[in-house]
Amino acid sequence: GAVVSQHPSRVICKSGTSVKIECRSLDFQATTMFWYRQFPKKSLMLMATSNEGSKATYEQGVEKDKFLINHASLTLSTLTVTSAHPEDSSFYICSASFVGNYNEQFFGPGTRLTVL
Amino acid sequence: GQSLEQPSEVTAVEGAIVQINCTYQTSGFYGLSWYQQHDGGAPTFLSYNALDGLEETGRFSSFLSRSDSYGYLLLQELQMKDSASYFCAVLKAAGNKLTFGGGTRVLVKP
Repeated sequence: GAVVSQHPSRVICKSGTSVKIECRSLDFQATTMFWYRQFPKKSLMLMATSNEGSKATYEQGVEKDKFLINHASLTLSTLTVTSAHPEDSSFYICSASFVGNYNEQFFGPGTRLTVL
Repeated sequence: GQSLEQPSEVTAVEGAIVQINCTYQTSGFYGLSWYQQHDGGAPTFLSYNALDGLEETGRFSSFLSRSDSYGYLLLQELQMKDSASYFCAVLKAAGNKLTFGGGTRVLVKP
């Protein structure tokens, strides 16, 4: 149980376009979802925390107008990278937690974004 | 500020024991977690310590000393499949976000 999926797994886009990444909890209701960014051989950097039905809380230094997060239901959160540029190329990972098991986060498989 | 320090890389042979230390300095502390991540894969939960002491889960054990702001992950009977990155992460409050350390790459050799 506690499976999180992400779609797409890999995306290549042109500079200036917007890209939407979906994160779904498949077999549980995620009260909180998190979005991370990870550079090669580096740690996971938290970008934002989102709770269903409310605005996301962004970490310091993360542009909320650049990285739009929507958490429309207890099983779906989306991250939209707007007007993507090559420096936005990275591995984006989501995770989810649920009531009664807050101490563990369940991670999606990640999305590799390449901006040309 | 907040920081988590762990060694960047450890190499060991199959069957050996590896201890990955993690020291942390955070503005809040609820517990210390450990995650494993294989190259290109998703992090997976290994263990969580909220109280001082040792938690054992099969070949992996995790230890926490809150007074020393220190913890470690112990990998026993190393197998080739244990080659991965291991991250310690501080949970600052129940249901709250994790702050990750830089990760330790463990390379297991035959």
